[in-house]
Amino acid sequence: KNEVEQSPQNLTAQEGEFITINCSYSVGISALHWLQQHPGGGIVSLFMLSSGKKKHGRLIATINIQEKHSSLHITASHPRDSAVYICAVRSVSGSRLTFGEGTQLTVNP
Amino acid sequence: NAGVMQNPRHLVRRRGQEARLRCSPMKGHSHVYWYRQLPEEGLKFMVYLQKENIIDESGMPKERFSAEFPKEGPSILRIQQVVRGDSAAYFCASSPTSGAGYEQYFGPGTRLTVT
Repeated sequence: KNEVEQSPQNLTAQEGEFITINCSYSVGISALHWLQQHPGGGIVSLFMLSSGKKKHGRLIATINIQEKHSSLHITASHPRDSAVYICAVRSVSGSRLTFGEGTQLTVNP
Repeated sequence: NAGVMQNPRHLVRRRGQEARLRCSPMKGHSHVYWYRQLPEEGLKFMVYLQKENIIDESGMPKERFSAEFPKEGPSILRIQQVVRGDSAAYFCASSPTSGAGYEQYFGPGTRLTVT
């Protein structure tokens, strides 16, 4: 079993829909990251959080430390949100990141 | 403030050749991380370096791979005698220091193709 599990693996939505991507992890962490990887391959950091909730534009990230679970929400989705979304956790003891397999999101117009 | 820079962006090598991948961290960042993304797979940690020191190389293959981050100049990931299985995207990230409070900023990646 991977230390970081994401669901779903693939997600197709219609423009305007509310989207949720889930991430569960099995180890102690010091922080959790949500990353976005576009078809060109570049990786952008969306959020880094260790508790509670963060919001940036149409994106919202939440984390429940007790349940070892995080969610990424996209409100009013748009075709330009189509990308792979990756959850990554930072270990308590070090700085290395452990990544989920990613969620491929496709938003159709 | 320029972001993390990697070069080359694309690198083609024949089996048995050497590949050198360069990473220039963001200005003011002294911590560099290398990650590998094999085709159709997720990202995997390779190595974490500070200036002139390797802090954690637990993700590095034991043979043919090495990394350095000299006092001056970029961090280098070196792959000797490349094989087809080394074909992947190699990303580096940098941070100003270690610890949970600091983001890692990713470079655009180097796509290595071994023919």
